[in-house]
Amino acid sequence: GDSVTQMEGPVTLSEEAFLTINCTYTATGYPSLFWYVQYPGEGLQLLLKATKADDKGSNKGFEATYRKETTSFHLEKGSVQVSDSAVYFCAVTGANSKLTFGKGITLSVRP
Amino acid sequence: GAGVSQSPRYKVTKRGQDVALRCDPISGHVSLYWYRQALGQGPEFLTYFNYEAQQDKSGLPNDRFSAERPEGSISTLTIQRTEQRDSAMYRCASSLAAGSPTDTQYFGPGTRLTVL
Repeated sequence: GDSVTQMEGPVTLSEEAFLTINCTYTATGYPSLFWYVQYPGEGLQLLLKATKADDKGSNKGFEATYRKETTSFHLEKGSVQVSDSAVYFCAVTGANSKLTFGKGITLSVRP
Repeated sequence: GAGVSQSPRYKVTKRGQDVALRCDPISGHVSLYWYRQALGQGPEFLTYFNYEAQQDKSGLPNDRFSAERPEGSISTLTIQRTEQRDSAMYRCASSLAAGSPTDTQYFGPGTRLTVL
C-alpha cells in the first residue's frame, strides 16, 4: 500500500531561520502530494499540494516540489516566523482518493 | 461558507457502550471521508462515501465500526461495544469531486473520544 516517511522531530528553530522538512513516499498510480498543517488548538488544514511530477506547490511562503525521480516532496521556507509553530503532515493519494499520512513533525519557532 | 463540522467535539464513554459520531460536510461536497488519529501519529483512513454510497471501508478496524451517509450529506460513524483501544481523535473530511485523488480534502475539528 501507499506510505509516507517524514523526518523525525521535533524541530526547534530561531525566527528567520531556513526550514526544510523531508518527506518521501511510495504510492501506486499517479500520486498527488499534500502538506497539511495543524496549528495549536486547531484542526488540520491544507498548506499546499502538487498533483503531477515537477509541480511546485506554494502557500504562505512555504514551497514543495514534486520530485518523481526521488519520490520526495520536501517542505521549505526561507524565513520562519513564530506563527509557523505547528505540526506538519506530509500525505499522498495513490490510485484512489484516500489520504495516507506521515507521522507528522512538530515545529517550534522561538523569537 | 461554513466548513466541515463534527459533533460532539469531546466524548467520554465507558467501555462497552455504543457511541455515534456525526459529521456535517461542506455543502455540495460529494465525497466524505473518516480518519482516526492516535496521539503522536498521522490520521489513518477508515472509510469514505461518494454521495450516499460507501465506496471503501477497508480501513475500518473490525465489525464494531460502521458508517452511514443515508442522504448523501451528514454522516455518522458508529462504534459498538467500545474498548479502551478505540480512544483517539476521529476526523472527518469532505471534498467537492467524487473520489478524485487530486482534490483537496477539507477537515473538520475532530471528535476526541475517550473510552474509560
